[in-house]
Amino acid sequence: GAVVSQHPSWVICKSGTSVKIECRSLDFQATTMFWYRQFPKQSLMLMATSNEGSKATYEQGVEKDKFLINHASLTLSTLTVTSAHPEDSSFYICSGHSDTNQPQHFGDGTRLSIL
Amino acid sequence: AQKITQTQPGMFVQEKEAVTLDCTYDTSDQSYGLFWYKQPSSGEMIFLIYQGSYDEQNATEGRYSLNFQKARKSANLVISASQLGDSAMYFCAMRAKAAGNKLTFGGGTRVLVKP
Repeated sequence: GAVVSQHPSWVICKSGTSVKIECRSLDFQATTMFWYRQFPKQSLMLMATSNEGSKATYEQGVEKDKFLINHASLTLSTLTVTSAHPEDSSFYICSGHSDTNQPQHFGDGTRLSIL
Repeated sequence: AQKITQTQPGMFVQEKEAVTLDCTYDTSDQSYGLFWYKQPSSGEMIFLIYQGSYDEQNATEGRYSLNFQKARKSANLVISASQLGDSAMYFCAMRAKAAGNKLTFGGGTRVLVKP
């Protein structure tokens, strides 16, 4: 099946630093990638949708200046959490699909802990 | 608006028995897709099965089958011959064109398989 690689899998950093998370589609071209956030024992919450070569579309309540998304190629999307604070600690997971008739395939997620 | 409801927060099932996970949905779109994902404690989202709104046959994938009842707007997942490795969170999700083809997730059901 389709493979999405997400890196890093675990990040611990100090408050105020910026953290970049990469999401790569390894064996398909992801025209659209999605970024989700998941709190413990909760469902996935969509943060933003990114299409290759265009600006990301953010869901209501998600700060676009806080969570910078770049989708520069058909195989790579990045999420940068800028000036991270403890409340940004969460599990972030990306997904992609090659077209709308295909299921979304997910990366393994990134556990972000801000001290 | 799209909505997915999973009414069972948690379930125990005996190894080798079948288990049914409930999922109901709400959408005004005529064209939509229904998905089930498995999330083990390690966090990755594993795609299990897909049902299109126009598919007349219920989807099956190995030990997974989807009981699609369109009039009732339900898409229950049946796992047959449960294995210890089936212990995980299970999420039902829907994608509809009217919602920009974004996935909307239910709250999830935690399944624990007892030996």
